[in-house]
Formats: sequence, structure tokens, C-alpha cells
Amino acid sequence: KQEVTQIPAALSVPEGENLVLNCSFTDSAIYNLQWFRQDPGKGLTSLLLIQSSQREQTSGRLNASLDKSSGRSTLYIAASQPGDSATYLCAVRLGGADGLTFGKGTHLIIQP
Amino acid sequence: NAGVMQNPRHLVRRRGQEARLRCSPMKGHSHVYWYRQLPEEGLKFMVYLQKENIIDESGMPKERFSAEFPKEGPSILRIQQVVRGDSAAYFCASSNSVRDYGYTFGSGTRLTVV
Repeated sequence: KQEVTQIPAALSVPEGENLVLNCSFTDSAIYNLQWFRQDPGKGLTSLLLIQSSQREQTSGRLNASLDKSSGRSTLYIAASQPGDSATYLCAVRLGGADGLTFGKGTHLIIQP
Repeated sequence: NAGVMQNPRHLVRRRGQEARLRCSPMKGHSHVYWYRQLPEEGLKFMVYLQKENIIDESGMPKERFSAEFPKEGPSILRIQQVVRGDSAAYFCASSNSVRDYGYTFGSGTRLTVV
């Protein structure tokens, strides 16, 4: 059974810092991995999607890496801003027709 | 393109009543997934549907829960005889094919059972 763990569970940093969120998964035979952002009381916004054959994806100040063999992904946020405050969720998909398995998220607060 | 539309946004039901949650996928998307987020828990997969077919319901509770995605109209997640433990946020996601490159999520329905 696939399990996804996110560390840390919560993180509070001053504005402007670069930071790294970690995600690990137990079954390395994944189809893809997706990072989402969830604001309080809101739905999920997809940030980055990494296919199993890819090593990383970048979008603006965000960079996500994937190491399938070790079962790890990191989300790097450069020059953090207060608007980045949210819960960040990592999710993996085992097969093309499978549902996503989510971690419990990292609750991020960027202090102005 | 209005994205994935879920309604209602908030739903309050008394114990024993039925809850019906609706999800309209993005235009052109024929695959719908339902997830549940319990307080202080991660999102859990419930069911995967294509038009008129349930593909994977391995995450659905065996009793009281059902889902459908008819040929016309939105996907419906139905919870019969709700209990307090059903209180959660229910999210719907859609994609345009099995090989699609990720999901688009709706804003969710927050169900409160009183």
C-alpha cells in the first residue's frame, strides 16, 4: 500500500527566504507525482506535475524534483512571499487509471 | 472554461438525512474522481468514474455511499443516513483521459452533520 509522508508538517519563515518542502513515498513504481497548494477553506491548485520519467519541473519561483529510486520529491520555493502561505500537498499516482495518494501536507507561513 | 464546479459549497444535514453532492467536470473531461478530506487528515481517494461507469470504487465505504456519473448531467456523490463522522470536505477532480497529465480539482463541498 502506497504511503506518502511530508516533512515538515508545519514551517514558519521570514519573507524572502528560500525553502524546501519534502515528500517521500513508499512504492517507487509511480506514474507521476503532483504538488498542490491548498488555501484555507478552498480547493486544490495544481502547482507542478512530474512524470515518472522526469527529474524536475519548474514554474516561476517553484522547482520540484523527483528521485523515484529513493522515493523522494522536494519542492523548492525561492524568495518566499507572504502570499505563498498555504498548505502544500504532495500526491502520487501509481497507475494511469489510479486515484492519487496524498500526504498530509506542509502548513507554510511566510512572515512579512 | 469554468473549471470543475462543485455544489453546494456548504451543506448541513441532520443525522439520518441524505446528502447529495454534485460535480460538473471541466468541459471536455470525461473522468471524474471523488476525494474526502476529514478534519486533520489528508485527502483520501474514494471513487473514479467515467461516463455511466464506475471504474474504481476501492476507497468508498461499503455502506451508505454511492456515486454516479450519468451520460447527461453532473456526477453525484450520495450519502444516505448521514452520521457525524461523515462531516468532511468532499472534493471532485476531473481529467480528460487516463493519460492526462494531472487533475483539476473543484473547490469542494463542506458537509456538516449535526
